Amino acid sequence: AQSVTQLDSQVPVFEEAPVELRCNYSSSVSVYLFWYVQYPNQGLQLLLKYLSGSTLVESINGFEAEFNKSQTSFHLRKPSVHISDTAEYFCAVSGLRGATNKLIFGTGTLLAVQP
Amino acid sequence: EAGVTQFPSHSVIEKGQTVTLRCDPISGHDNLYWYRRVMGKEIKFLLHFVKESKQDESGMPNNRFLAERTGGTYSTLKVQPAELEDSGVYFCASTFSGGAHTGELFFGEGSRLTVL
Repeated sequence: AQSVTQLDSQVPVFEEAPVELRCNYSSSVSVYLFWYVQYPNQGLQLLLKYLSGSTLVESINGFEAEFNKSQTSFHLRKPSVHISDTAEYFCAVSGLRGATNKLIFGTGTLLAVQP
Repeated sequence: EAGVTQFPSHSVIEKGQTVTLRCDPISGHDNLYWYRRVMGKEIKFLLHFVKESKQDESGMPNNRFLAERTGGTYSTLKVQPAELEDSGVYFCASTFSGGAHTGELFFGEGSRLTVL
């Protein structure tokens, strides 16, 4: 079984400041890792994912996450945030079990970017 | 191309009543998932359809919840009778089995259920 921990329920940050949203996971098997984002009044959207290969993955809007197997972490970072990044961010894992794509989510972190 | 659509967007009912939520997946997606988020908690898996068959229903809370996907297209999730603890946002997601396992699920905007 897998589980995901997002310790920070809310992260307030000023515009153009750097941010890190923390994610730790627990699993007895190898996993795929994901960050999903939910903007206000919208559904969840995939932000980025780690399946294999390079442990550093990037999104098209400047976010990046690094898979750290020894620390079982997949923290999300952005060097300079914008007001438009205000959203709730969910870390998720799925086991490498066929193509079922069943995701286990964390509790989410609300990123509140202030001017 | 239309995304995953869910109806209703918000439903307010009294304890003991029945509610049916509907999900229309992206056309051609054979996998359909239901998830639920209770306020402030994680998004929890409820069940997974492959076409019209239930692949995994390990997350269904109890027998007051009934999910169907007749014909392998849209799906309904019925709660009968509803209890206070059923309040939350119900998300539907879909994906296509063919090709590589990419892990990406396409989510709807959710149906918010409030049980009074």
